[in-house]
Amino acid sequence: GQNIDQPTEMTATEGAIVQINCTYQTSGFNGLFWYQQHAGEAPTFLSYNVLDGLEEKGRFSSFLSRSKGYSYLLLKELQMKDSASYLCAVMDSNYQLIWGAGTKLIIKP
Amino acid sequence: DADVTQTPRNRITKTGKRIMLECSQTKGHDRMYWYRQDPGLGLRLIYYSFDVKDINKGEISDGYSVSRQAQAKFSLSLESAIPNQTALYFCATSDSGTDYNEQFFGPGTRLTVL
Repeated sequence: GQNIDQPTEMTATEGAIVQINCTYQTSGFNGLFWYQQHAGEAPTFLSYNVLDGLEEKGRFSSFLSRSKGYSYLLLKELQMKDSASYLCAVMDSNYQLIWGAGTKLIIKP
Repeated sequence: DADVTQTPRNRITKTGKRIMLECSQTKGHDRMYWYRQDPGLGLRLIYYSFDVKDINKGEISDGYSVSRQAQAKFSLSLESAIPNQTALYFCATSDSGTDYNEQFFGPGTRLTVL
Protein backbone atom coordinates (compact mmCIF):
# COMPACT_ATOMS: atom_id res chain seq x y z
CA GLY A 1 0.00 0.00 0.00
CA GLN A 2 0.89 3.64 -0.19
CA ASN A 3 1.92 5.44 2.95
CA ILE A 4 3.11 8.89 3.99
CA ASP A 5 4.36 9.34 7.56
CA GLN A 6 5.00 12.60 9.37
CA PRO A 7 4.89 13.57 13.05
CA THR A 8 1.48 14.55 14.35
CA GLU A 9 2.60 17.63 16.27
CA MET A 10 5.72 19.66 16.95
CA THR A 11 6.45 22.66 19.15
CA ALA A 12 9.11 25.30 18.54
CA THR A 13 10.08 28.74 19.78
CA GLU A 14 9.69 32.00 17.91
CA GLY A 15 12.94 32.87 16.13
CA ALA A 16 14.24 29.30 16.17
CA ILE A 17 14.60 26.66 13.44
CA VAL A 18 12.41 23.57 13.07
CA GLN A 19 12.67 20.53 10.79
CA ILE A 20 9.56 18.55 9.86
CA ASN A 21 10.28 15.08 8.51
CA CYS A 22 8.29 13.02 6.02
CA THR A 23 8.86 9.44 4.92
CA TYR A 24 6.97 7.80 2.11
CA GLN A 25 6.27 4.53 0.36
CA THR A 26 4.34 4.97 -2.86
CA SER A 27 3.74 3.23 -6.18
CA GLY A 28 5.93 5.39 -8.34
CA PHE A 29 7.27 8.86 -7.68
CA ASN A 30 6.67 12.03 -9.66
CA GLY A 31 7.62 14.59 -7.07
CA LEU A 32 7.04 15.56 -3.45
CA PHE A 33 5.09 18.60 -2.30
CA TRP A 34 4.86 20.53 0.93
CA TYR A 35 1.76 22.55 1.70
CA GLN A 36 0.88 24.84 4.60
CA GLN A 37 -2.61 24.81 6.06
CA HIS A 38 -3.85 27.22 8.71
CA ALA A 39 -6.72 25.95 10.83
CA GLY A 40 -10.00 25.94 8.91
CA GLU A 41 -8.37 27.23 5.73
CA ALA A 42 -7.27 25.79 2.40
CA PRO A 43 -3.83 24.24 1.94
CA THR A 44 -1.38 26.49 0.11
CA PHE A 45 1.64 25.35 -1.88
CA LEU A 46 5.08 25.78 -0.30
CA SER A 47 7.58 23.68 -2.22
CA TYR A 48 8.20 20.92 -4.73
CA ASN A 49 11.11 18.48 -5.00
CA VAL A 50 11.60 15.91 -7.74
CA LEU A 51 15.39 15.55 -7.67
CA ASP A 52 17.57 14.76 -4.66
CA GLY A 53 18.86 17.71 -2.75
CA LEU A 54 17.84 20.93 -1.10
CA GLU A 55 15.50 23.56 -2.51
CA GLU A 56 15.60 26.92 -0.73
CA LYS A 57 12.90 29.54 -0.84
CA GLY A 58 13.33 32.36 1.64
CA ARG A 59 12.88 31.13 5.22
CA PHE A 60 11.67 27.72 3.98
CA SER A 61 13.79 24.92 2.53
CA SER A 62 12.84 21.42 1.47
CA PHE A 63 15.11 18.41 1.09
CA LEU A 64 14.57 15.14 -0.76
CA SER A 65 16.31 11.77 -0.78
CA ARG A 66 14.54 9.46 -3.21
CA SER A 67 16.67 6.43 -2.31
CA LYS A 68 15.62 6.76 1.34
CA GLY A 69 12.01 7.76 0.65
CA TYR A 70 12.59 10.80 2.85
CA SER A 71 12.01 14.52 2.82
CA TYR A 72 12.12 17.33 5.32
CA LEU A 73 10.84 20.88 5.46
CA LEU A 74 13.10 23.33 7.28
CA LEU A 75 11.64 26.54 8.64
CA LYS A 76 14.06 29.23 9.82
CA GLU A 77 13.52 32.38 11.90
CA LEU A 78 10.15 31.12 13.04
CA GLN A 79 7.33 33.62 13.34
CA MET A 80 4.04 33.26 15.18
CA LYS A 81 2.23 33.23 11.81
CA ASP A 82 4.05 29.97 10.97
CA SER A 83 1.77 28.18 13.44
CA ALA A 84 -0.11 25.87 11.06
CA SER A 85 -0.25 22.32 9.81
CA TYR A 86 2.33 21.25 7.24
CA LEU A 87 1.25 18.61 4.76
CA CYS A 88 3.60 16.32 2.87
CA ALA A 89 2.27 14.83 -0.38
CA VAL A 90 3.78 12.55 -3.02
CA MET A 91 2.66 12.38 -6.63
CA ASP A 92 2.46 8.72 -7.57
CA SER A 93 2.79 6.94 -10.92
CA ASN A 94 -0.82 7.90 -11.81
CA TYR A 95 -0.06 11.57 -11.14
CA GLN A 96 -2.32 11.52 -8.10
CA LEU A 97 -1.26 13.15 -4.84
CA ILE A 98 -0.99 10.88 -1.81
CA TRP A 99 -1.20 12.98 1.34
CA GLY A 100 0.22 12.61 4.80
CA ALA A 101 -2.00 13.45 7.77
CA GLY A 102 -0.04 16.64 8.40
CA THR A 103 2.18 17.97 11.17
CA LYS A 104 0.66 20.59 13.44
CA LEU A 105 3.36 23.12 14.31
CA ILE A 106 2.90 25.17 17.46
CA ILE A 107 5.07 28.26 17.86
CA LYS A 108 5.64 29.59 21.36
CA PRO A 109 6.90 33.10 22.17
CA ASP B 1 -10.95 37.82 -6.36
CA ALA B 2 -10.71 34.16 -5.41
CA ASP B 3 -9.40 31.92 -8.21
CA VAL B 4 -11.14 28.78 -6.90
CA THR B 5 -14.53 29.21 -5.26
CA GLN B 6 -16.77 26.73 -3.50
CA THR B 7 -20.42 26.98 -2.61
CA PRO B 8 -21.82 26.65 -0.07
CA ARG B 9 -19.12 27.32 2.55
CA ASN B 10 -21.13 25.61 5.26
CA ARG B 11 -23.98 23.15 5.03
CA ILE B 12 -25.98 21.23 7.59
CA THR B 13 -28.22 18.50 6.24
CA LYS B 14 -30.07 15.41 7.40
CA THR B 15 -29.41 11.75 6.76
CA GLY B 16 -30.83 10.60 3.44
CA LYS B 17 -30.88 14.01 1.77
CA ARG B 18 -29.25 14.61 -1.61
CA ILE B 19 -26.91 17.57 -1.68
CA MET B 20 -24.58 19.17 -4.18
CA LEU B 21 -21.35 21.03 -3.57
CA GLU B 22 -20.15 23.29 -6.34
CA CYS B 23 -16.71 24.42 -7.43
CA SER B 24 -15.78 27.08 -9.96
CA GLN B 25 -12.37 28.31 -11.08
CA THR B 26 -11.08 31.24 -13.11
CA LYS B 27 -7.52 29.95 -13.37
CA GLY B 28 -8.05 28.29 -16.75
CA HIS B 29 -6.78 24.98 -15.39
CA ASP B 30 -7.76 21.75 -17.10
CA ARG B 31 -7.61 19.45 -14.06
CA MET B 32 -9.99 19.51 -11.11
CA TYR B 33 -10.25 17.43 -7.95
CA TRP B 34 -12.53 16.81 -4.99
CA TYR B 35 -11.05 15.87 -1.60
CA ARG B 36 -12.39 15.36 1.88
CA GLN B 37 -10.44 16.09 5.03
CA ASP B 38 -11.14 14.51 8.41
CA PRO B 39 -9.33 15.24 11.68
CA GLY B 40 -6.17 13.15 12.01
CA LEU B 41 -6.32 11.94 8.44
CA GLY B 42 -4.71 13.20 5.28
CA LEU B 43 -6.65 14.65 2.40
CA ARG B 44 -8.40 11.84 0.59
CA LEU B 45 -9.25 11.99 -3.09
CA ILE B 46 -12.90 11.41 -3.98
CA TYR B 47 -12.97 12.10 -7.74
CA TYR B 48 -10.80 13.85 -10.26
CA SER B 49 -11.17 15.10 -13.79
CA PHE B 50 -8.33 15.77 -16.21
CA ASP B 51 -10.61 17.47 -18.75
CA VAL B 52 -14.31 17.95 -19.42
CA LYS B 53 -14.79 14.46 -20.87
CA ASP B 54 -12.61 12.69 -18.30
CA ILE B 55 -13.93 11.64 -14.88
CA ASN B 56 -12.07 9.24 -12.59
CA LYS B 57 -12.77 7.69 -9.23
CA GLY B 58 -10.39 8.40 -6.41
CA GLU B 59 -9.65 6.53 -3.23
CA ILE B 60 -13.09 7.00 -1.62
CA SER B 61 -15.72 7.50 -4.33
CA ASP B 62 -18.48 5.31 -2.85
CA GLY B 63 -21.54 7.38 -1.97
CA TYR B 64 -20.42 10.31 -4.16
CA SER B 65 -20.85 11.34 -7.77
CA VAL B 66 -19.49 14.24 -9.80
CA SER B 67 -20.24 16.28 -12.87
CA ARG B 68 -17.82 18.37 -14.95
CA GLN B 69 -20.23 20.80 -16.57
CA ALA B 70 -17.52 22.91 -18.17
CA GLN B 71 -13.76 23.31 -17.86
CA ALA B 72 -14.35 25.81 -15.06
CA LYS B 73 -17.00 23.90 -13.08
CA PHE B 74 -16.87 20.64 -11.16
CA SER B 75 -19.65 19.66 -8.80
CA LEU B 76 -19.80 16.93 -6.16
CA SER B 77 -23.06 15.23 -5.16
CA LEU B 78 -23.91 13.11 -2.18
CA GLU B 79 -26.82 10.96 -3.35
CA SER B 80 -28.06 10.05 0.11
CA ALA B 81 -26.05 11.74 2.83
CA ILE B 82 -24.97 9.78 5.91
CA PRO B 83 -23.36 11.02 9.15
CA ASN B 84 -19.88 9.65 8.34
CA GLN B 85 -19.79 11.99 5.34
CA THR B 86 -19.49 14.85 7.80
CA ALA B 87 -16.16 16.42 6.83
CA LEU B 88 -14.40 19.40 5.29
CA TYR B 89 -14.54 19.16 1.50
CA PHE B 90 -12.01 20.83 -0.76
CA CYS B 91 -12.00 21.39 -4.48
CA ALA B 92 -8.62 21.82 -6.17
CA THR B 93 -7.33 22.62 -9.64
CA SER B 94 -4.07 22.15 -11.50
CA ASP B 95 -2.57 22.91 -14.89
CA SER B 96 -1.17 19.90 -16.74
CA GLY B 97 1.06 22.23 -18.76
CA THR B 98 3.22 23.28 -15.82
CA ASP B 99 6.36 21.58 -14.54
CA TYR B 100 5.06 21.15 -11.02
CA ASN B 101 1.38 20.53 -11.68
CA GLU B 102 0.80 21.86 -8.17
CA GLN B 103 -2.76 21.96 -6.95
CA PHE B 104 -4.59 25.12 -5.92
CA PHE B 105 -7.36 24.73 -3.39
CA GLY B 106 -10.69 26.39 -2.86
CA PRO B 107 -11.68 27.65 0.61
CA GLY B 108 -13.52 24.45 1.52
CA THR B 109 -17.08 23.46 2.38
CA ARG B 110 -17.81 22.31 5.89
CA LEU B 111 -20.55 19.69 5.67
CA THR B 112 -22.44 18.31 8.66
CA VAL B 113 -24.83 15.39 8.23
CA LEU B 114 -27.17 14.88 11.16
